[in-house]
Amino acid sequence: DAGVIQSPRHEVTEMGQEVTLRCKPISGHNSLFWYRQTMMRGLELLIYFNNNVPIDDSGMPEDRFSAKMPNASFSTLKIQPSEPRDSAVYFCASSPAGGRIWEQFFGPGTRLTVL
Amino acid sequence: DQQVKQNSPSLSVQEGRISILNCDYTNSMFDYFLWYKKYPAEGPTFLISISSIKDKNEDGRFTVFLNKSAKHLSLHIVPSQPGDSAVYFCAASETGTASKLTFGTGTRLQVTL
Repeated sequence: DAGVIQSPRHEVTEMGQEVTLRCKPISGHNSLFWYRQTMMRGLELLIYFNNNVPIDDSGMPEDRFSAKMPNASFSTLKIQPSEPRDSAVYFCASSPAGGRIWEQFFGPGTRLTVL
Repeated sequence: DQQVKQNSPSLSVQEGRISILNCDYTNSMFDYFLWYKKYPAEGPTFLISISSIKDKNEDGRFTVFLNKSAKHLSLHIVPSQPGDSAVYFCAASETGTASKLTFGTGTRLQVTL
């Protein structure tokens, strides 16, 4: 079975450019999460969706960040305009309905570098 | 304000010895706790969890202990193996927000030969 798929794996861009990160959750999972990992703050939850609906976006740093989930198999995290302080590893995770919903399955991450 | 804290950024342990990773939390509403393991260039993977109604959960070489009064949990790995070298994240879930996990900053464990 394919796990959570993220693309691109690496992204280098210049300050001010738009960045779009993509995620395909595990089929059948109904919750999707976007995290950002930095040395100082560890893994921070940015936003999560349940059944394609955003439930909690309180972790989104500012208006430059937006996330969408147009269907159960695809989500995007967009940063516009990007800034050097956005450089981090961004993870997408999904979890199944019912049962051990606390157990989240993570993708391999996208390493973003903003110059 | 870090609600989940892992105060030791790194830990080095000899193969065969016990590894103890610690985690403290401040939110008394947390009622479920998890440990995730992360290898370089990979996403974190679930390792073990514990509900607040228990004080210990064991899975093979891994045991998690929970001390609710001290708001402290620890992960014990016995015996430690070189393949256990990774970053370990502690996470917690709050009552009523079962899907939302709050993670710590991680502890890098190195198991030496």
